[in-house]
Amino acid sequence: GAVVSQHPSRVICKSGTSVKIECRSLDFQATTMFWYRQFPKQSLMLMATSNEGSKATYEQGVEKDKFLINHASLTLSTLTVTSAHPEDSSFYICSATTLGNSPLHFGNGTRLTVT
Amino acid sequence: GENVEQHPSTLSVQEGDSAVIKCTYSDSASNYFPWYKQELGKRPQLIIDIRSNVGEKKDQRIAVTLNKTAKHFSLHITETQPEDSAVYFCAATPGNTGTASKLTFGTGTRLQVTL
Repeated sequence: GAVVSQHPSRVICKSGTSVKIECRSLDFQATTMFWYRQFPKQSLMLMATSNEGSKATYEQGVEKDKFLINHASLTLSTLTVTSAHPEDSSFYICSATTLGNSPLHFGNGTRLTVT
Repeated sequence: GENVEQHPSTLSVQEGDSAVIKCTYSDSASNYFPWYKQELGKRPQLIIDIRSNVGEKKDQRIAVTLNKTAKHFSLHITETQPEDSAVYFCAATPGNTGTASKLTFGTGTRLQVTL
């Protein structure tokens, strides 16, 4: 149980285009989803917290207009990287959980390369 | 906010030896401390967790200890095997606010188990 599916696993796009990443909880209702960014050999940095039906809460330094997050249902959250630039190239990972101190379940991650 | 420090950054042990990774946290209100194992290019996987009402938890070759007074917790892996080689992340919550946990991750420890 507690499977989180993230798609796509890899994406290459040209500078200036937008990329959408999907995160789905397959067998449980995720009231909250988190989006992380991970640079090579570094830790996971939280970008934003997404609660179903409400606006995402962004961490300091993360541009909300550049990283659009939508959490329209209890099983789906999306992250759209708008007007991508090479410096946005990174490994993006979503995670999902239910209320309280429940364990986080991670998606497989999306490796974004912007050329 | 919460600050989690993790040491060492790299650790090399011989197969069969034990490995210990240590983390400290800053927020005394933190009450949930998971450990994740991440293999290259893959999702972090929860391997063990501990809550603040216990001091130690063990699962086969893996154990975690927590010292709330000193605000540090450690991961212990005994009888290490080559498949234990990965990056390990500790994490802590900033405190239970009744909503889903927002984890702060340590910087990671790259464990290499040599034959």
